[in-house]
Amino acid sequence: GAGVSQSPRYKVTKRGQDVALRCDPISGHVSLYWYRQALGQGPEFLTYFNYEAQQDKSGLPNDRFSAERPEGSISTLTIQRTEQRDSAMYRCASSSGDRASPDTQYFGPGTRLTVL
Amino acid sequence: GQNIDQPTEMTATEGAIVQINCTYQTSGFNGLFWYQQHAGEAPTFLSYNVLDGLEEKGRFSSFLSRSKGYSYLLLKELQMKDSASYLCAVMDSNYQLIWGAGTKLIIKP
Repeated sequence: GAGVSQSPRYKVTKRGQDVALRCDPISGHVSLYWYRQALGQGPEFLTYFNYEAQQDKSGLPNDRFSAERPEGSISTLTIQRTEQRDSAMYRCASSSGDRASPDTQYFGPGTRLTVL
Repeated sequence: GQNIDQPTEMTATEGAIVQINCTYQTSGFNGLFWYQQHAGEAPTFLSYNVLDGLEEKGRFSSFLSRSKGYSYLLLKELQMKDSASYLCAVMDSNYQLIWGAGTKLIIKP
């Protein structure tokens, strides 16, 4: 596709349920990032992939959060046993080079997660 | 800790010039980015500075002083469509982007 896509765009779930958020980066992009963004705040880093390798997961809040990118393209962010504090906009971004290169990060439209 | 500071909100008049400041304290520095984010949309790239000085790109310019930990984004000939949040982000020594909270710019006719 022309840009980064994410699905679903909106997800409402009950506390305690697991959710899986999908990101489809720009074709050929090496780097993929997951962020969380609260209203009126900048993105908060969660994790980074270089191809299929998860090279940085220092931003994941706790062990309920995990991510994978098994074939170096599509990525899934999974949140287990969701809690109300997990409610936020989850954004994915991709860039053409590796993390050390100052390439533009292209952001997806985000998934708005609401935990009831 | 790492910190990016920018004003929460600014107001300017259509056709005028506005300067949005950003100060930072990070562990290392590998460049500074400015992104624009319209309400309800994804951030989009505006500029990148890694060396001191001014980078000009059309109506937008970005300045960096590494010794002062300071940058600004200058928007000229403001248009109503420039109403958005402007996010400053610094790449630290681990090549992680540290983001400011953003400056909401309101343009009045």
